[in-house]
Amino acid sequence: GDSVTQMEGPVTLSEEAFLTINCTYTATGYPSLFWYVQYPGEGLQLLLKATKADDKGSNKGFEATYRKETTSFHLEKGSVQVSDSAVYFCALIDNRDDKIIFGKGTRLHILP
Amino acid sequence: DAMVIQNPRYQVTQFGKPVTLSCSQTLNHNVMYWYQQKSSQAPKLLFHYYDKDFNNEADTPDNFQSRRPNTSFCFLDIRSPGLGDAAMYLCATSRERGGGANVLTFGAGSRLTVL
Repeated sequence: GDSVTQMEGPVTLSEEAFLTINCTYTATGYPSLFWYVQYPGEGLQLLLKATKADDKGSNKGFEATYRKETTSFHLEKGSVQVSDSAVYFCALIDNRDDKIIFGKGTRLHILP
Repeated sequence: DAMVIQNPRYQVTQFGKPVTLSCSQTLNHNVMYWYQQKSSQAPKLLFHYYDKDFNNEADTPDNFQSRRPNTSFCFLDIRSPGLGDAAMYLCATSRERGGGANVLTFGAGSRLTVL
């Protein structure tokens, strides 16, 4: 079945460092891909999405490009801030199905 | 602001004592979901409602039930909580199902502790 694999956390970086969180997926159909973020004590919220190959999603300085050839949707940010500390979830919806499948999440700590 | 509200935020119960968690939404979304999230794990879908149509996941235990009396409210009932049911329970909504349009709006969650 469909699945999402994220890099293990926690990831600890200094403020202004470059961030990459890897995400790969397996899907038999043509999925839409998402990154959700969960700040401490809050629910998940959509960070960005891409619905077809080569689309780039972007929001709040974060970017991710839908790479069909490598089945990847890596999250990047050029200069992280302490306020980016959160858990990041990669997710997909197979367009033949209604279910959203989440990865296990990657906890990010940004040090001042 | 339109949003998804979950109550209570924290619930402590005893082993076997029934619990009800509530979710309300002001978004007028057709679909409401209940997820279970355990520590360091992905949220796991328990069931969802598309309008009044209930959709149970195949591996959701019978111990978990849900009610949606109207568009705005949805309840999660745990009939006999076990220690393994301690988790964060997340309610989410979406305007429709399927595809890239299926963006979920989550509540802040209800954390359940079972003693």
